[in-house]
Amino acid sequence: DAKTTQPNSMESNEEEPVHLPCNHSTISGTDYIHWYRQLPSQGPEYVIHGLTSNVNNRMASLAIAEDRKSSTLILHRATLRDAAVYYCSPVDFNKFYFGSGTKLNVKP
Amino acid sequence: GAGVSQTPSNKVTEKGKYVELRCDPISGHTALYWYRQSLGQGPEFLIYFQGTGAADDSGLPNDRFFAVRPEGSVSTLKIQRTERGDSAVYLCASSLGLAGVREQYFGPGTRLTVT
Repeated sequence: DAKTTQPNSMESNEEEPVHLPCNHSTISGTDYIHWYRQLPSQGPEYVIHGLTSNVNNRMASLAIAEDRKSSTLILHRATLRDAAVYYCSPVDFNKFYFGSGTKLNVKP
Repeated sequence: GAGVSQTPSNKVTEKGKYVELRCDPISGHTALYWYRQSLGQGPEFLIYFQGTGAADDSGLPNDRFFAVRPEGSVSTLKIQRTERGDSAVYLCASSLGLAGVREQYFGPGTRLTVT
C-alpha cells in the first residue's frame, strides 16, 4: 500500500509563500499524486495532481521529485482562506491513500 | 452546477441496527468512491465503482459493509448490524474517467453515530 509522511502542522504568514512537503517513497511508477485540502466539517477539496512533471493551476503549484518519492505543494501567496488540513494522496492502483495530513495555520 | 450530495447529513442509530447512506455524484461522472473518516485522520478508502460495477472493494472492513450503484449514478452504502466502532464521517466522491487520472469531487459527508 502507498504510504505518506507529512508534517503534522505548519505555520505561514499571510501573503507569503508556503511549501508543504510530502514523502511517498512506496509510490509506483504509474501512480498519480493528488493533493486535497479540508476545512472543518467539510469534504476534502481538490487542489492539484500530477504524475511526473511539475504542475501549475490557479490554486497552487506541484513540484514532484525526479525519483517521485516526494512532492511539494506550493501556495504562492497564502491567504487566511488557505488555512486547512492538506493531504497528499498517491493513487495506488484504484485506491487513493490519505495519511493524517498537514494542518496549515495562516497568520494575518 | 450541482456538486456531489450525500444524505442524510447526520444519522444516529442504535447498535445492531441497519443503515443506508446515499450518494448522488456529479452527473456524468463514471467513477465513484466511498471513504470513511475518523476524527483527526484522513479519509480511508472503502470502495471504488467504475460505472455500475465495484472495481475495487478491498477497503470494506468486513462483510457487514456493502455498497451498490445499480444504474451507474446514485450509490448506496449499506451497513448491517452496526457497531459503535462504525461511528465516523462517511464521504463520497466522484470523478470523470479512471481512478487517479482526474480529480475527485467530494460530498459534504454523512456523520454516522452508533449509540
